Amino acid sequence: KAGVTQTPRYLIKTRGQQVTLSCSPISGHRSVSWYQQTPGQGLQFLFEYFSETQRNKGNFPGRFSGRQFSNSRSEMNVSTLELGDSALYLCASSLDPGHDTDTQYFGPGTRLTVL
Amino acid sequence: QQQVKQSPQSLIVQKGGISIINCAYENTAFDYFPWYQQFPGKGPALLIAIRPDVSEKKEGRFTISFNKSAKQFSLHIMDSQPGDSATYFCAASMYGNQFYFGTGTSLTVIP
Repeated sequence: KAGVTQTPRYLIKTRGQQVTLSCSPISGHRSVSWYQQTPGQGLQFLFEYFSETQRNKGNFPGRFSGRQFSNSRSEMNVSTLELGDSALYLCASSLDPGHDTDTQYFGPGTRLTVL
Repeated sequence: QQQVKQSPQSLIVQKGGISIINCAYENTAFDYFPWYQQFPGKGPALLIAIRPDVSEKKEGRFTISFNKSAKQFSLHIMDSQPGDSATYFCAASMYGNQFYFGTGTSLTVIP
């Protein structure tokens, strides 16, 4: 099976712009979670989508939003970019939260740099 | 509030030695405790995971020890190798809810 794929792998934006990141989960996985990873903060949970519905949400401002499509692919959007948004954005998919094998499988991430 | 606390932040071990990373959690409703390994430029990869109904799980050189009463779990890497040099994250989750990650431990294994 193909793993979790994320596009693009690298992005450079300027303050005030907006950005959309894409994630394709492992085939058959219905849950997609997004994380922000920075050297100082580790992995910070953004949100989780399951069957096109946002089921869990972390403590991030409303500038961060996401959605999930019927094929389980997910997109994450950040509007009005700030310098502090520079980070590695990771997507993780799992079969079904709470399933006996609810392991999360991570993609390689999108490295976002805000100038 | 940090739901999962991980220590140490960094660890240097000689080749062949034992690497030990510890995590503590607060929420007794957590029922799944995975460990992830991350190399530079890559996403975290599942290493080993445990549920609270067992006290230990071993896969090759990697062992999770779980102490439910103390709300602690640890990762032991036996016969540590330079190729094990990476960042390790513990995590905890409960049914239908998000994963909570520790802040990571940077492991360096010296040849």
